[in-house]
This record gives sequence, structure tokens and C-alpha cells, in this order.
Amino acid sequence: IQMTQSPSSLSAYVGDRVTITCRASQDIRSHLDWYQQKPGKAPKRLIYAASTLQGGVPSRFSGSGSGTEFTLTISGLQPEDFATYYCLQHIHVPLTFGGGTKVEI
Amino acid sequence: EVQLVESGGGLVKPGGSLRLSCAASGFAVSTYNMHWVRQAPGKGLEWLSCISKNGATLYYADSVWGRFTISRDSAQNSVYLQMNSLRTEDTAVYFCVCLGFDGSGYNYLSPTTVVDYWGRGALVTVSS
Repeated sequence: IQMTQSPSSLSAYVGDRVTITCRASQDIRSHLDWYQQKPGKAPKRLIYAASTLQGGVPSRFSGSGSGTEFTLTISGLQPEDFATYYCLQHIHVPLTFGGGTKVEI
Repeated sequence: EVQLVESGGGLVKPGGSLRLSCAASGFAVSTYNMHWVRQAPGKGLEWLSCISKNGATLYYADSVWGRFTISRDSAQNSVYLQMNSLRTEDTAVYFCVCLGFDGSGYNYLSPTTVVDYWGRGALVTVSS
């Protein structure tokens, strides 16, 4: 299953609302997670099952979608949110990540 | 405290072999499916392999099929990745990961928190 993530990068201001999209090449129902990765660090899960916020993750992060189109939204971008974001489908092996979206100041 | 610590990375020539180890603490590797994920320099994440929690089922990405082998030692509470026939394109940081799901669904630590354990990564450089 191919995961097409867009955009590959974006520039935004603190306080902006940011939307990142992942499209799956076939129906993955809600078997999709979103990750945040900061430079030199391991990724960290933000959202699981397409729309459920991982415990401890700020509520400005939200996920939506099912089937083949999914969205990660950051409502009110904070300085610590500048990072790269990845989606991951896990309904079928091989698991596949989206190509990533780098969110820059 | 949960930790995953990778070791065994380094510089190897094309065609060579390397074995990565991942020592777990704070949980038993036999409790969850365990994975290896890699990230080439400046690139995105690539899932490589998984060993099921009962150790009976192994999965691989096409890119490493037939060259890499995942294994586990429950007594050592460790997971391994044997990498053979290495290529320059295998140069990457290799993460040992517990992604917190299996065929039955997510593995929960609490009602709202799914298991999500990552090591810090081991750098493998394949170069002549």
C-alpha cells in the first residue's frame, strides 16, 4: 500500500492552523497513525486509529479520515511543533510510512 | 522505565554483514510485536521487519527480503537484525521499535495511551 503524504514541506507562523494529508492507495479503514519527529530524535506517536489522540499529546493536534484519505491538523501551531510529521498504515504488511511533511517556521 | 537500546552499528563494506542488537528493559519483548524501522540520512522512515509476539511469524519489506533476518531471544530480552549482502543504500539509522499493535488491535498502556517504544537508533554506514 502506497501512502502519499502532502505537502512535503510547509512554512507557517506560530498560531497558524496547519493541515497535512495522507492518501492511501487502497482502503485502510482507520488503520493509520500519525508521528512527529524532531531532528536527531526518534519519532513519537501523536494520533492512533486515524483520529484518537495519544495520551499526553496536546489537544491542538487532531486527526480525521478513514478509507483512503486522512488529515492531521494542528490548530494553533506552537514553537515546539516545528518538526517532521509522518503517517503510517498498518492494516497490511509491509507497513508503509508516508514520505513526511516538514513543518518549518 | 522502558528502554530500547540498539547496538552493533558501524561501518561495513558493500557485500558485508552486520548484526544489530536491541536490548529491552522495562517490558518483555515477548509481550508485543517488535519491529525494525530505518531512516536514511535526510530521508523518511522505512519499515523493515517485524517479529510477532509469539516469535512464530516474521515479516519483511521487499527491500530487505532474503538479506535481513529478524530474531528474538526472550531470555536476553533482546531483538536482533542480521543484515547480510549489505548495499550502499542500506546506509541509515536503524531503530528498534515497539509500535503497539498486532492482529488483535492496539496494545494499551492506559485507556488513552498506546504502546509506543523507540530506541535511539544505531547508525549503519555501508561504504567502500
